[in-house]
Amino acid sequence: DTGVSQNPRHKITKRGQNVTFRCDPISEHNRLYWYRQTLGQGPEFLTYFQNEAQLEKSRLLSDRFSAERPKGSFSTLEIQRTEQGDSAMYLCASSLGVMNTEAFFGQGTRLTVV
Amino acid sequence: EDKVVQSPLSLVVHEGDTVTLNCSYEVTNFRSLLWYKQEKKAPTFLFMLTSSGIEKKSGRLSSILDKKELSSILNITATQTGDSAIYLCAVEIWVLTGGGNKLTFGTGTQLKVEL
Repeated sequence: DTGVSQNPRHKITKRGQNVTFRCDPISEHNRLYWYRQTLGQGPEFLTYFQNEAQLEKSRLLSDRFSAERPKGSFSTLEIQRTEQGDSAMYLCASSLGVMNTEAFFGQGTRLTVV
Repeated sequence: EDKVVQSPLSLVVHEGDTVTLNCSYEVTNFRSLLWYKQEKKAPTFLFMLTSSGIEKKSGRLSSILDKKELSSILNITATQTGDSAIYLCAVEIWVLTGGGNKLTFGTGTQLKVEL
């Protein structure tokens, strides 16, 4: 499978716990995005990497959220001290670069905070 | 603040009908407009539009961008039950600080095609 891969697909956690999600983009894509989607809404931008550099973070991304892309390949999104409001689908997307910017999405990680 | 608005929010049609979905935007540093189809999980890419007035077509789906009106439409002809999905419009915006670009999505149009 050469598409964008996200793990885990589902995560149920207790409020206050930390969670980490992983995204493996399409191999030659140097841009990687994280989005959050709640029921009835379109995806909301969280953050964006070009190679290993994190170029923008949304104001939606509180201090409890951190994302990394250490070697410019896979990325992780960590949420510390989870709250019920963090329950959502977390989507990762990647794109090739400047001239080919269509983003291709992974299947998402569904987070439920109980 | 960048804004992408889609209408209608939801739509129910019968197989064979033609539908038109709308997307309007108010953004700074527009680069392109994209349409995605979202069924159960990940949005799948349909079209990317950068130039006004040039129709993009794929089978029964077509889309066109009007930069003067800051809008786009997505047409689906001879709808089938398999077209039932959420159709998302996204606008690609240049990010001036730090470079690159990002997508801002609308809330989507939920389309249901009945027999």
